[in-house]
Amino acid sequence: DIVVNQSPDSLAVSLGERATISCKASQSVLDSSNNKNDLAWYQQKPGQPPKLLIYWTSIRESGVPDRFSGSGSGTDFTLTINSLQAEDVAVYYCHQFYSTPYSFGQGTKLEIK
Amino acid sequence: QVQLVQSGAEVKKPGASVKVSCRASGYTFTGYYMHWMRQAPGQGLEWMGWINPHRGGTEYEQRFQGRVRMTRDTSINTVYMELRSLRADDTAIYYCASRSDGQNDAFDAWGQGTMVTVSS
Repeated sequence: DIVVNQSPDSLAVSLGERATISCKASQSVLDSSNNKNDLAWYQQKPGQPPKLLIYWTSIRESGVPDRFSGSGSGTDFTLTINSLQAEDVAVYYCHQFYSTPYSFGQGTKLEIK
Repeated sequence: QVQLVQSGAEVKKPGASVKVSCRASGYTFTGYYMHWMRQAPGQGLEWMGWINPHRGGTEYEQRFQGRVRMTRDTSINTVYMELRSLRADDTAIYYCASRSDGQNDAFDAWGQGTMVTVSS
């Protein structure tokens, strides 16, 4: 089973600054059939289901602002939020969908400093 | 638009069973697997398994084997997740989710969640 670990558990960033969240998988999630990493990022606000932000490491879901970006490969991935806005306060999860059982990181709570 | 609508909140006693439904609309229901996750209060997301709405095949997370059953009714575009022998630590919000275009299993469609409370 692939274990996914996120860091940090919580993060406080000033408005307009950059937030960076890391995600590390216990083994590679690179799908050799299409050379894509099966890694996604979600945003969850209180009382709501998760919302898909990014999939295949760096592809933004339709409608997601371009201040959200993803990078990485193999086992190490990063979600970057540039120019933090108040509405970005949420918990962020990474998710590997390379192999079942699918797994999520433990979540990173992002707050405004 | 793609919509997944789940059944309402449930309160169950330990040892009972619960069956949560998830009705899909706005995309080809039988085209893509439906997954179930759960989220205990204040905790992260836990994947439980999937069902193929077309053929009914399933795969369950090992820790739920023997207690969970996922089924579907294609006539009403609905999948079900039944969890048996409920314990207090099964108290959680249960979500169905899918990928509406079948590209991969990054879930772009989520139900609103069903709160299941297990308490004596």
